[in-house]
Amino acid sequence: DAGVTQSPTHLIKTRGQQVTLRCSPKSGHDTVSWYQQALGQGPQFIFQYYEEEERQRGNFPDRFSGHQFPNYSSELNVNALLLGDSALYLCASSLYGGRSNEKLFFGSGTQLSVL
Amino acid sequence: GDSVTQMEGPVTLSEEAFLTINCTYTATGYPSLFWYVQYPGEGLQLLLKATKADDKGSNKGFEATYRKETTSFHLEKGSVQVSDSAVYFCALSDPNAGNQFYFGTGTSLTVIP
Repeated sequence: DAGVTQSPTHLIKTRGQQVTLRCSPKSGHDTVSWYQQALGQGPQFIFQYYEEEERQRGNFPDRFSGHQFPNYSSELNVNALLLGDSALYLCASSLYGGRSNEKLFFGSGTQLSVL
Repeated sequence: GDSVTQMEGPVTLSEEAFLTINCTYTATGYPSLFWYVQYPGEGLQLLLKATKADDKGSNKGFEATYRKETTSFHLEKGSVQVSDSAVYFCALSDPNAGNQFYFGTGTSLTVIP
C-alpha cells in the first residue's frame, strides 16, 4: 500500500518563475493538505483540499494556489516565485471530518530552491 | 491564535541517557496534541498523540502527557538510542480551527554512542 507520494523530490527555479508540485494521497484518503517548511522551522499550513475544493487556508498570499483532482491527487502552484519561497513543501493526506482529520500522513516533500 | 512553543535545540545526548523535550501550547479550543518525528530526507511521521487532558501518549519508549493546567506536552524517553537521532516536532490540532495543524519549530536530537 503506497503512502503519500510527492513529485518532484527537488526543484530549482529562478525568481519570477512559476512552479507546480504534485501529491498523491495515501490509498483510502480523500483530503490533502499542503505545508511549507523553511529551513530550521516547523511546517506552516498553506491550505487543505477536499472534494476538489479549498476548505481551509493558512496565512499565505494568493500566489499560492492549488487544485484537487477527482482521484484525490493534488497540485500546489506558486506564481511569481520569491527567494523566500525556498523551502521543503510537504503534502499530508487524511480522511475528512471530525477527529479523523487528526491522522495526518506526510510525504517526503519537494525541496524547492529559488535562485 | 493557536501556537506551539518547543524547546530550542540542538540536543546532544549519550546513548542510554534520559531525554526531555519541552513543549507548551496556546489554543482557543480543546486541541489534540502530537509529537511527530522527521528523519533525514524523510517526511514527518506520527510518534504519539493525546486527545484530551491527562491522556498519556506513548510509542517506541517515548511518552508525553497532556497537561491542561500547564498547557504542556513534554516528550520523554528513559533511555535513548542512536537510532532516535532525528528532529522532533510538537504539534496541535484545534477543532475550533477546522482541525488545522500548528507545529513547533522542531528540536534536533543527536544521540552519540
